[in-house]
Amino acid sequence: NAGVMQNPRHLVRRRGQEARLRCSPMKGHSHVYWYRQLPEEGLKFMVYLQKENIIDESGMPKERFSAEFPKEGPSILRIQQVVRGDSAAYFCASSPFSGTSYNEQFFGPGTRLTVL
Amino acid sequence: SQKIEQNSEALNIQEGKTATLTCNYTNYSPAYLQWYRQDPGRGPVFLLLIRENEKEKRKERLKVTFDTTLKQSLFHITASQPADSATYLCALDIRDDKIIFGKGTRLHILP
Repeated sequence: NAGVMQNPRHLVRRRGQEARLRCSPMKGHSHVYWYRQLPEEGLKFMVYLQKENIIDESGMPKERFSAEFPKEGPSILRIQQVVRGDSAAYFCASSPFSGTSYNEQFFGPGTRLTVL
Repeated sequence: SQKIEQNSEALNIQEGKTATLTCNYTNYSPAYLQWYRQDPGRGPVFLLLIRENEKEKRKERLKVTFDTTLKQSLFHITASQPADSATYLCALDIRDDKIIFGKGTRLHILP
């Protein structure tokens, strides 16, 4: 059973470009979480999605950031018009949470975004 | 709002000794608390979960305690090894389907 997959592992963008980060959850997991981690900082929750639904986006910046988890295909975190401050590691996690489990999260290897 | 604090940014422990990491929280009563390990350049890996009605949980050389009165969890690694060097994160549930993470403690086991 493959783990959570993220691609690309490294992404370099110039200011003003768009960044698209992809996450394929573990097989059978229908809950996806995105986190951002800055150097020497903790994991900051961004958004929580189920298939075709955004459940909680309270950690997402109001502008330029969006996320989706379509019925088919990976979850996408999209950052438009990137700025240097967007440089960070972005982690995706999936969970088999079904209302009776305790939300153990399985993390991908992360995408390291560098904005020049 | 909920707040999690992990005792120190970095901890140096001599090989073979017990490493103890602390996680304190405020403004919340979680139903459970989790501990994760993160190595440089990698995503966190789940280690242990302890429920609010459990005082202690063990897994091999790992032991976690949970004191809901003190609002504190302790994470112990006994007979520590250099391979245990990593950053350890605690996380608590905000609601059934959402958890928040502390900043982590970098543990260095010195040979």
